[in-house]
Amino acid sequence: QVQLQESGPGLVKPSQTLSLTCTVSGGSISSGDYYWNWIRQSPGKGLEWIGYIFYSGGTKYSASLKSRVIISVDTSMNQFSLSLSSVTAADTALYFCARLNIHTAMILDSWGPGTLVTVSS
Amino acid sequence: QSALTQPASVSGSPGQSITISCTGTSSDLGTYNLVCWFQHHPGKAPKLIIYEGGKRPAGVSNRFSGSKSGNTASLTISGLQAEDEAEYYCGSYVGSSTFYLFGTGTQVTVL
Repeated sequence: QVQLQESGPGLVKPSQTLSLTCTVSGGSISSGDYYWNWIRQSPGKGLEWIGYIFYSGGTKYSASLKSRVIISVDTSMNQFSLSLSSVTAADTALYFCARLNIHTAMILDSWGPGTLVTVSS
Repeated sequence: QSALTQPASVSGSPGQSITISCTGTSSDLGTYNLVCWFQHHPGKAPKLIIYEGGKRPAGVSNRFSGSKSGNTASLTISGLQAEDEAEYYCGSYVGSSTFYLFGTGTQVTVL
């Protein structure tokens, strides 16, 4: 059973860069069957898809965040990471990583528990 | 494209059935039959409970059922139990441009 776990600073100052890592266990991130995603939930709001990365490095980002987001992968560590630059209070959210099965109905079949990031000085 | 629309809250008594709607447009839910439903208890990982509109992953209770008609998907929880109190989100792949949309979320309260 694959498990995902987010990690990173819980507090980031405005204008700085938010950096999070998702560690995958119980399965290989190098499988060609999955996209590896970042998703967030802002306080009082719904879920927002941020972007994904394929194990080979291919990415796709949400149009609204594209100018500030970079998702990278480290297959040797079985991890992928999120970098979100120039953060503001609006980026305060619970950040999730999740696996999307490309070959089974494009389903987000496994998620991490999420990590709360607060943007504040 | 905007988020899919869900009611903010739905409540019911134990044993009752409730239905949560998820409304999109002809460009997203009306085009793709790939709606998923996720259950989220605070502090835990969201859990996939329905995919492709009405299929249940292994291990998910048959009290959860899903359907879709036109631009609207629905999740029905039958025989409501206290453990069903959680936030529920719909979500769907919506094509290579926007890629993925989520619903606004519905808080289910068991009275």
